[in-house]
Amino acid sequence: DAKTTQPNSMESNEEEPVHLPCNHSTISGTDYIHWYRQLPSQGPEYVIHGLTSNVNNRMASLAIAEDRKSSTLILHRATLRDAAVYYCILKGPGTYKYIFGTGTRLKVLA
Amino acid sequence: GAVVSQHPSWVICKSGTSVKIECRSLDFQATTMFWYRQFPKQSLMLMATSNEGSKATYEQGVEKDKFLINHASLTLSTLTVTSAHPEDSSFYICSASAPDRVGTEAFFGQGTRLTVV
Repeated sequence: DAKTTQPNSMESNEEEPVHLPCNHSTISGTDYIHWYRQLPSQGPEYVIHGLTSNVNNRMASLAIAEDRKSSTLILHRATLRDAAVYYCILKGPGTYKYIFGTGTRLKVLA
Repeated sequence: GAVVSQHPSWVICKSGTSVKIECRSLDFQATTMFWYRQFPKQSLMLMATSNEGSKATYEQGVEKDKFLINHASLTLSTLTVTSAHPEDSSFYICSASAPDRVGTEAFFGQGTRLTVV
């Protein structure tokens, strides 16, 4: 399984944008990039996913580098409820088996 | 999105006893479910893949005789921790996918916190 690397922690001020980076230099051509987040004492929650093109949804945006070796999750306006551990995961085709890395713990300051 | 529910949300059991955790897909059928374990301040670790109607596939280092998995229907998988010990205390999480309903994401249960005393 291809590996992802994320910073252990990041801080952001409330109502400011947050850019969460993820490196995945060994990504294969068929791997999707998935982002999940986990609030304290809860199961992971789907955020967004993409393959090659940048993606937007109501929760966030996903910017994927042209060579696909890195990606960035963008929260446009961080709120206190966005404080969580964010996981970047590579998912191969035909499987829903996720291998979680260490993730980035996001702290949002009021 | 699709809903995956776990029961119970938390459980306390005595050392040496067994405890069963249920994982249900409430509004879709899941031929495959996954079980994870998470210790405090750590990431999720995949334990096993639960396949409906067949034996589960366990990850390396996970004892299949200790963590019994049954996936008897398309909406229910159960994880039984047998002869539980304090070191089995952890947060157990299941996931399932609904490829015919939504995109390519999986959905996770809310987790079950097991404390063995």
